[in-house]
Amino acid sequence: EVQLVESGGGLVQPGRSLKLSCAASGFTFSNYYMAWVRQAPKKGLEWVATISTSGSRTYYPDSVKGRFTISRDNAKSSLYLQMNSLKSEDTATYYCARQGGYGSRYYFDYWGQGVMVTVSS
Amino acid sequence: DIVMTQSPSSLAVSAGETVTINCKSSQSLFGSVRQKNYLAWYQQKPGQSPKLLIYLASTRESGVPDRFIGSGSGTDFTLTISSVQAEDLANYYCQQYYDTPLTFGSGTKLEIK
Repeated sequence: EVQLVESGGGLVQPGRSLKLSCAASGFTFSNYYMAWVRQAPKKGLEWVATISTSGSRTYYPDSVKGRFTISRDNAKSSLYLQMNSLKSEDTATYYCARQGGYGSRYYFDYWGQGVMVTVSS
Repeated sequence: DIVMTQSPSSLAVSAGETVTINCKSSQSLFGSVRQKNYLAWYQQKPGQSPKLLIYLASTRESGVPDRFIGSGSGTDFTLTISSVQAEDLANYYCQQYYDTPLTFGSGTKLEIK
């Protein structure tokens, strides 16, 4: 059974940093592109980042480019999201998601339960 | 960026009825190489994470009931739920993966009368 378990969320002040983690199990982690998707309270879904199988290629929307960094450790079957210079508009539930194919342009076939990040003073 | 526009934003139906949710993209999602439309649909039940229902516009994910039907091509897509059940209470989102940034529709809230 595929499982994605996020951790590391919490309350953080504007301008500070936070690092999210996602522990994957039930599949060969190193074979899949992985991603983070967020959802602001009572709002829709927003893609945040994608990383290739080896970690050599990363992709971001303009809203987080330069502030967020996605990374992975295939030996630990773990995905990370380093978030710097956080803004109030980054407040959201962050989901770890597996992309359904080899490439940055894919749907998300499995999602974690999500972790809440609140950016507030 | 490809903008995804969903309609309606919400709807309420009685159990047993058929529901149609629309999704329109600002540019074609049809890929000429694979001759496929790069459009997915998700269901998000209250308090849960999203679940993949449909990909390639009309291919049902394993385990998804056959009352969920995806159709459309190019820029206009539809999710049809036939014989709606109480358990279908959820928000439904479309997503394009033709190009990055990957983008979602704003969602359709389905309520059961």
